[in-house]
Amino acid sequence: DAGVTQSPTHLIKTRGQQVTLRCSPKSGHDTVSWYQQALGQGPQFIFQYYEEEERQRGNFPDRFSGHQFPNYSSELNVNALLLGDSALYLCASSSLPLSGGYSYEQYFGPGTRLTVT
Amino acid sequence: EDQVTQSPEALRLQEGESSSLNCSYTVSGLRGLFWYRQDPGKGPEFLFTLYSAGEEKEKERLKATLTKKESFLHITAPKPEDSATYLCAVQAIWGNTPLVFGKGTRLSVIA
Repeated sequence: DAGVTQSPTHLIKTRGQQVTLRCSPKSGHDTVSWYQQALGQGPQFIFQYYEEEERQRGNFPDRFSGHQFPNYSSELNVNALLLGDSALYLCASSSLPLSGGYSYEQYFGPGTRLTVT
Repeated sequence: EDQVTQSPEALRLQEGESSSLNCSYTVSGLRGLFWYRQDPGKGPEFLFTLYSAGEEKEKERLKATLTKKESFLHITAPKPEDSATYLCAVQAIWGNTPLVFGKGTRLSVIA
């Protein structure tokens, strides 16, 4: 059973450039959430995708956008990169419980380390 | 606004020296409280979910407990391989809402 996968592992970009990060959810999961984790901080929620639509969004500017594909995989796009965008970007997948139970556990991928110079 | 505060920020233990990590939270309505382990440069690894006050869960040397205002992660007789950052997160009761994380506790276990 493959877990959450992300690509690329590392990325170095220059200020003003654009970047696309990719995520494949855990088998059986249909919801993808993206988080940004700065050094020494906990992950901060960016947005969540379900049924190919952005369902919720955290306090991030419009430079951050995303997409979910019919196979539930997802992309995170960041335009006009700033030095402050340097962070570990995490993708987490989850699924609404079929039986109406309580489990909304989110499973994380290994992350993409983005460095903006 | 949902908030999570973890303490201490860093903890250094000798191998075999048991201790506890604290997670204090405020949330409009708690669906679940989650503990994750994160190794440097890696994604968080799921450990436990707790749903209601009084609940306890165990995994090897780790035991998580929950009250109405805080959760504890007890580490019994830790080993060097338990060294990691431990993250606590809460999820509000309304649907598949995002996790709100604390900053984590960085645990070092010295042989």
